[in-house]
Amino acid sequence: NAGVTQTPKFRVLKTGQSMTLLCAQDMNHEYMYWYRQDPGMGLRLIHYSVGEGTTAKGEVPDGYNVSRLKKQNFLLGLESAAPSQTSVYFCASSYQGVHTGELFFGEGSRLTVL
Amino acid sequence: GQNIDQPTEMTATEGAIVQINCTYQTSGFNGLFWYQQHAGEAPTFLSYNVLDGLEEKGRFSSFLSRSKGYSYLLLKELQMKDSASYLCAVKDSNYQLIWGAGTKLIIKP
Repeated sequence: NAGVTQTPKFRVLKTGQSMTLLCAQDMNHEYMYWYRQDPGMGLRLIHYSVGEGTTAKGEVPDGYNVSRLKKQNFLLGLESAAPSQTSVYFCASSYQGVHTGELFFGEGSRLTVL
Repeated sequence: GQNIDQPTEMTATEGAIVQINCTYQTSGFNGLFWYQQHAGEAPTFLSYNVLDGLEEKGRFSSFLSRSKGYSYLLLKELQMKDSASYLCAVKDSNYQLIWGAGTKLIIKP
């Protein structure tokens, strides 16, 4: 099992450009999440999904969109990148229900917006 | 507001014991997690506490006091590979995770 896989691992964008980060998990998890991690701050939830075809806003959703067309994939889109979106992005997935809710993270995608 | 406090950085010696504290103020409580994150890598799960007391898992133990809004992670017999950031996260009444900024642990020989 590959677990949670993110692509790309690194990307440099110019202000105003768009891009999509892809997250794939092979653990049949219902829940998937997109976080950003910035120096000196805790992980912040951007958007999440509780199942195929569903998405919901997290703590910092502005400037991002997501889609969950297939259970195993969760896409994060930036329509018009801004320097404030320079960050490391982590995708994660988890079981639902009685489990502890342990998150399984991807390796991260480092995005720089110039 | 919701808040998780952890020390920014700690230093310890190889072979010693270190305790990393986490205090929280959240809207409700549905469990507390500790994750380990090596530099440039993804966080990985270490422990989960939902009831008061100590949970031991090998060299690592995690303690919770819900009445005090307090937890600690205890690392014994420190090894160089334990150099990492340790993240505390609390699941609030809406089952949303609130994350601390993490504690960077530096292990010296």
